[in-house]
Amino acid sequence: QPALTQPRSVSGSPGQSVTISCTGTSSDVGGYNYVSWYQQHPGKAPKLMIYDVYKRPSGVPDRFLGSKSGNTASLTISGLQADDEAYYYCSSHGGTYTFGLLFGGGTKLTVL
Amino acid sequence: QVTLRESGPALVTPTQTLTLTCTFSGFSLSTSGMSVTWIRQPPGKALEWVARIDWDDDKYYSTSLRARLTISKDTSKNQVVLAMTNMDPVDTGTYYCARIDSNYFYMDVWGKGTTVTVSS
Repeated sequence: QPALTQPRSVSGSPGQSVTISCTGTSSDVGGYNYVSWYQQHPGKAPKLMIYDVYKRPSGVPDRFLGSKSGNTASLTISGLQADDEAYYYCSSHGGTYTFGLLFGGGTKLTVL
Repeated sequence: QVTLRESGPALVTPTQTLTLTCTFSGFSLSTSGMSVTWIRQPPGKALEWVARIDWDDDKYYSTSLRARLTISKDTSKNQVVLAMTNMDPVDTGTYYCARIDSNYFYMDVWGKGTTVTVSS
């Protein structure tokens, strides 16, 4: 059972915006600004899209926006494109006790 | 350019020990702040964090897998080795290694992954 809760699926039409939520607790998502998001196309390795809640690595379009409120982090993708269709996973620092990482169950984004 | 590549057996029998190697380039595990982590993904399921080793040889393990895991590094070879004992069919999946900064908690570069099937 994944430690972080994500919706199983979201969908949107090209050009629209979608938001994927990631809910944890005050011990992980809510306690640290160490939330990251990964995009995974079928059969491929995950790709870092957002780190430290809202920061984008070089090369990631500014259509991808990360945010956090309390124990819930969110990834908003605007101007949906066909290639955005993929699974998205959130991750968070698991706390100083474990020093491990927690993942969400993944959200399948379908571009209609 | 930073790259990582996983290698190991594609098939192991139940109760065997799995040994995976992550060979990387473009960075050094002797550099302060550098770490390598292992993450696995059962078929059709979510990512699961497995273990991490830091530049100073600090090691961290998944709570649920800790008793079965050993992670080590060979800095001269730019390799990280993960050993998992007593393999079970539920351990079947793709195993990824990735670079992580030990001061932060995100993986900026991933290997392509290696698929491991546990079956008799």
